[in-house]
Amino acid sequence: GAVVSQHPSRVICKSGTSVKIECRSLDFQATTMFWYRQFPKKSLMLMATSNEGSKATYEQGVEKDKFLINHASLTLCTLTVTSALPEDSSFYICSATGGEWTYGYTFGSGTRLTVV
Amino acid sequence: DQQVKQNSPSLSVQEGRISILNCDYTNSMFDYFLWYKKYPAEGPTFLISISSIKDKNEDGRFTVFLNKSAKHLSLHIVPSQPGDSAVYFCATPGRRALTFGSGTRLQVQP
Repeated sequence: GAVVSQHPSRVICKSGTSVKIECRSLDFQATTMFWYRQFPKKSLMLMATSNEGSKATYEQGVEKDKFLINHASLTLCTLTVTSALPEDSSFYICSATGGEWTYGYTFGSGTRLTVV
Repeated sequence: DQQVKQNSPSLSVQEGRISILNCDYTNSMFDYFLWYKKYPAEGPTFLISISSIKDKNEDGRFTVFLNKSAKHLSLHIVPSQPGDSAVYFCATPGRRALTFGSGTRLQVQP
């Protein structure tokens, strides 16, 4: 089955620094990748949608300069949280889809970001 | 405005009994629904889906029922096992990505 690898699984950083989260599709070409954020005991909220080779589309209220997305290839997409603040602490999850199964969304294992 | 709603934040059942998780949606144009299971600090894993042309889809211990007139779907797990303890999300494809409900935390007691 389709596998999406997300790294790191956990990261702690100081306020003001930047953190990069990688999302890789291991056995399929991900034409589209999605980034979600989950607050404790809340649902998954879509942050942005990225098509390979194009600029990402951000959801309302998500700062594109704060959350930089680079969909470098059909197997790799990165999310960089810039100038991280404690309120950016959250669980970030990527999802990828591609090929013929339009609704075949495969999720990464998530990244727990803690900004101190 | 939540388009997909899970009104029960938690559910506790005994091992071996049936678990029923509910989901309501607002838009009658939605034509595909998915259920995901999520453990803490992990990404969601796909469980089962249903198209609006069906009213039932079964896969092993998991059955999803769709009531289009009521705009309601439910996930039945029988028999429930302790390993089923997790948060369950219903979801539907939107214009760009999946839209998730708020989730129901299922606790299966041994």
